[in-house]
Amino acid sequence: EAGVAQSPRYKIIEKRQSVAFWCNPISGHATLYWYQQILGQGPKLLIQFQNNGVVDDSQLPKDRFSAERLKGVDSTLKIQPAKLEDSAVYLCASSFFGPIQSRLGEQFFGPGTRLTVL
Amino acid sequence: AQTVTQSQPEMSVQEAETVTLSCTYDTSESDYYLFWYKQPPSRQMILVIRQEAYKQQNATENRFSVNFQKAAKSFSLKISDSQLGDAAMYFCAYRSPNTDKLIFGTGTRLQVFP
Repeated sequence: EAGVAQSPRYKIIEKRQSVAFWCNPISGHATLYWYQQILGQGPKLLIQFQNNGVVDDSQLPKDRFSAERLKGVDSTLKIQPAKLEDSAVYLCASSFFGPIQSRLGEQFFGPGTRLTVL
Repeated sequence: AQTVTQSQPEMSVQEAETVTLSCTYDTSESDYYLFWYKQPPSRQMILVIRQEAYKQQNATENRFSVNFQKAAKSFSLKISDSQLGDAAMYFCAYRSPNTDKLIFGTGTRLQVFP
């Protein structure tokens, strides 16, 4: 079974530029997550999708970050304009969706995209 | 709001020895799930072990086991017979019963020496 795919793996941009990250979840996983992992910290959830609807985007800086999941499969996370503090690894994860009582909560993570903002 | 604390930024262990990584959490909920994730240098995070709070028995997965102390809100990970491949960042995570959202600690970097 193929895992969660992300691209690009690395990206270097200058501040105020825009950047986009792509994620393809595991086939059949209805739930998709984007996390931001700043160096020395644990991942922080930015946005969670259930199929193509947003479940939680409470920690997404909406003035500069946007995300979409068209057709409930692939997802794109965009930053525009980027700031120095956006330098981080952006992780995409997916999980199987079922009755909440049966969800054991395992999320499958992609390799991440390391963003450096100069 | 729930929080997860990992007070050991770095730990080291000799190959074949046993090491314990600490994790504490804060919650007012009585039912929840706890996880340990491993993030090797290649950065793809994988699940190591999970514990459901309503189960008193500590979870075990081969060389990995947990010591779950619900009253103390403690969830430590024990790695027995450590191997070089165990070297990684280890993250403790919390999930509420009615959401899929994971709350992570800051991680512990484990080094394994031959």
